[in-house]
Amino acid sequence: SQTIHQWPATLVQPVGSPLSLECTVEGTSNPNLYWYRQAAGRGLQLLFYSVGIGQISSEVPQNLSASRPQDRQFILSSKKLLLSDSGFYLCAWSGQGGAYEQYFGPGTRLTVT
Amino acid sequence: GENVEQHPSTLSVQEGDSAVIKCTYSDSASNYFPWYKQELGKRPQLIIDIRSNVGEKKDQRIAVTLNKTAKHFSLHITETQPEDSAVYFCAATTSGGYQKVTFGTGTKLQVIP
Repeated sequence: SQTIHQWPATLVQPVGSPLSLECTVEGTSNPNLYWYRQAAGRGLQLLFYSVGIGQISSEVPQNLSASRPQDRQFILSSKKLLLSDSGFYLCAWSGQGGAYEQYFGPGTRLTVT
Repeated sequence: GENVEQHPSTLSVQEGDSAVIKCTYSDSASNYFPWYKQELGKRPQLIIDIRSNVGEKKDQRIAVTLNKTAKHFSLHITETQPEDSAVYFCAATTSGGYQKVTFGTGTKLQVIP
């Protein structure tokens, strides 16, 4: 069966510091991968998606970036965090082609102070 | 792009009563409609979904209906229980190179014992 991991689970970082969040998927090959952000009490905002290694598309302009160095690894980064970057970051995967279901990782709760 | 509206934003029901959450979408190309349940501090979990070639789907106490003509779909929970309390998100998905999912803004359901 497929499993999706995210780490760290929680993170407190000062404004201006760098960020690296990691997501890995097990039990599937060539998944579509997604990064979402959820502000407190709000909905889900798609940040990035990837259909393959090195292929990243951004949905919203921001000071975040994403990379996919391996088939089942997705990384979210920032060079300098802003207060507004605080939130619950969720990685998700779906299959290719006609497999529509999207499954979420456990999330990383980021607080920028 | 796709726009998904979800109502109500909050819903309180007595244990044992039914709950209905409604969503509308704008893009007629959307062909897959999942519903997610998110408990406090946890990841969204897929609870039921429906594809555009189906009008209704049921899984025990939960059911989803889809009206493609009117571009709306609904989640029905019968015989509600306290453990049904959570935030529920609807979503509309268009397929292509990847599954672009647009989420509704969420409904906070409270089941009163």
